[in-house]
Amino acid sequence: TQTVSQSDAHVTVFEGDSVELRCNYSYGGSIYLSWYIQHHGRGLQFLLKYYSGNPVVQGVNGFEAEFSKSDSSFHLRKASVHWSDSAVYFCAVSSYQGGRALIFGTGTTVSVSP
Amino acid sequence: ETAVFQTPNYHVTQVGNEVSFNCKQTLGHDTMYWYKQDSKKLLKIMFSYNNKQLIVNETVPRRFSPQSSDKAHLNLRIKSVEPEDSAVYLCASSFTGGAREQYFGPGTRLTVL
Repeated sequence: TQTVSQSDAHVTVFEGDSVELRCNYSYGGSIYLSWYIQHHGRGLQFLLKYYSGNPVVQGVNGFEAEFSKSDSSFHLRKASVHWSDSAVYFCAVSSYQGGRALIFGTGTTVSVSP
Repeated sequence: ETAVFQTPNYHVTQVGNEVSFNCKQTLGHDTMYWYKQDSKKLLKIMFSYNNKQLIVNETVPRRFSPQSSDKAHLNLRIKSVEPEDSAVYLCASSFTGGAREQYFGPGTRLTVL
């Protein structure tokens, strides 16, 4: 059984601050991990993914994430947030079984204050 | 414009009615998905479908069924809606094979009275 946990339900930061969103997964097998962003009232947008190779992956809009097999983690980071980064962030895992459907974490709401 | 399109944006109906939501993608993808997002923002896969295989999440009630005319369309039909079906339904698509990201539509918000 694949599970994804996001320990922080809500994070508040000031514009220009750095932010790290935590994601831990549990799965035995070949998987890939990804992060998506959902702005209020919109669909999800892909940010970045990891399958193999360099454990630090770069995504859109200055986001990066680091994979750790030993910690079963895939944390998302941004060095300097902008007000437009206010959204819900979802970590997801997918395998080559199950039609490659995404299994999502519960999401972290990021609120960026001016 | 290449994207995933969903209609309608919103739908309000009464218990027991039948509803159908449309999804079309112009990205040339060969796999499409339906996800349900509840009021707490929790996302759960309902179906994934390509021209070879339909995979149904075993927790999905039988009143839900996907309908596809070609690889660019995957509609969702609910035969007799229940109050717990109130949610946002998100359609997505991707290429098959490898670690492929999914592209999502804006969602259809269903309210069951």
